Amino acid sequence: AQKVTQAQTEISVVEKEDVTLDCVYETRDTTYYLFWYKQPPSGELVFLIRRNSFDEQNEISGRYSWNFQKSTSSFNFTITASQVVDSAVYFCALSENNFNKFYFGSGTKLNVKP
Amino acid sequence: DGGITQSPKYLFRKEGQNVTLSCEQNLNHDAMYWYRQDPGQGLRLIYYSQIVNDFQKGDIAEGYSVSREKKESFPLTVTSAQKNPTAFYLCASSIGSGSSYEQYFGPGTRLTVT
Repeated sequence: AQKVTQAQTEISVVEKEDVTLDCVYETRDTTYYLFWYKQPPSGELVFLIRRNSFDEQNEISGRYSWNFQKSTSSFNFTITASQVVDSAVYFCALSENNFNKFYFGSGTKLNVKP
Repeated sequence: DGGITQSPKYLFRKEGQNVTLSCEQNLNHDAMYWYRQDPGQGLRLIYYSQIVNDFQKGDIAEGYSVSREKKESFPLTVTSAQKNPTAFYLCASSIGSGSSYEQYFGPGTRLTVT
């Protein structure tokens, strides 16, 4: 079974629209970490955020915000007022068992059109 | 500047040949990783190393080999035994091997075997 599911394969929006990327995870550990990465067309993954399982506070960084809900095992990512430069593939990842092995979702490709 | 370098960016090989992908980091990170990415899929772990002179198999190690003789270097050899070697290969590193550490990625090497 998939440990991290990103059900949205591809999303297209028009610039300035808000968009939410979904991430659902599965783990039996009580201590775990969730991450979001951005992969632009150049290919290099860029770290965006890390969240531990004990901190359910939502986080906002500029136009980016993250909603972590343990009750639904979700860690969703919202981009407000999207821009063309946000076009990329976004990956959600999980690490558990006190070891830094990442389980990646299959990614969501975001297309932001001008 | 600190970071991870992978060379070359594009690599072409004939079937039956072994090929070595380079990965160097100057972040002073203890742990290093190799991932494989296929079109439309997430990243899959090939090998990882928590410390110099030590490495472990990941989920898809068959047909690959690695070495970790220096802290800053973690080369990956794709052998002729790898049935489907054409893919995008990403190297990553983290400060430690605990589950809380984010991984930092290099720019990747796109390998094509014909």
